[in-house]
Amino acid sequence: EAQVTQNPRYLITVTGKKLTVTCSQNMNHEYMSWYRQDPGLGLRQIYYSMNVEVTDKGDVPEGYKVSRKEKRNFPLILESPSPNQTSLYFCASSTSGSDGEQFFGPGTRLTVL
Amino acid sequence: GNSVTQMEGPVTLSEEAFLTINCTYTATGYPSLFWYVQYPGEGLQLLLKATKADDKGSNKGFEATYRKETTSFHLEKGSVQVSDSAVYFCALSGWNNDMRFGAGTRLTVKP
Repeated sequence: EAQVTQNPRYLITVTGKKLTVTCSQNMNHEYMSWYRQDPGLGLRQIYYSMNVEVTDKGDVPEGYKVSRKEKRNFPLILESPSPNQTSLYFCASSTSGSDGEQFFGPGTRLTVL
Repeated sequence: GNSVTQMEGPVTLSEEAFLTINCTYTATGYPSLFWYVQYPGEGLQLLLKATKADDKGSNKGFEATYRKETTSFHLEKGSVQVSDSAVYFCALSGWNNDMRFGAGTRLTVKP
């Protein structure tokens, strides 16, 4: 089944404790992206990647890191999480950049205490 | 920079009513425009898209026309169903593959 998977689905952590949210897609898509969803703000793009070893900042990259060492994986790293990073995070992938249909993962709900 | 502004919700309609959700955008160049839908507890799904001026995207009875002169991409459906209850997001894709989403509009359809 073609899908985007994220892990974990739910995470409660404390300020300053490094964490990684994984994202994997099995559709051989070149484009992958991370978003955060907050009430009243919609989705905001954090980082995106057009291909392996190519990443670019989105609208709200501060406090986040990403890497794209393999085509299928695009982990999101929070090296020192803060409470303002409490949010719902979505990973997405597309076969033809952001112009194409993006397939979204199920989301990761992160709470930073 | 690029941005999307969409009609605030929530919107509550009776079954078979006509739906319009307004969306306007600001962008440099010629963006692609999208409507995505999010059902409770799920990620977003593409509903429809349009990639150039005057294009009409359509799917599942929903339609939206890319209007460059008014920088708009309003979503319409002639007769909504209870199963259409969801959150709808207008979005644009810029020239460098960045994405901007609107704040989302929650639609509730009552029987």
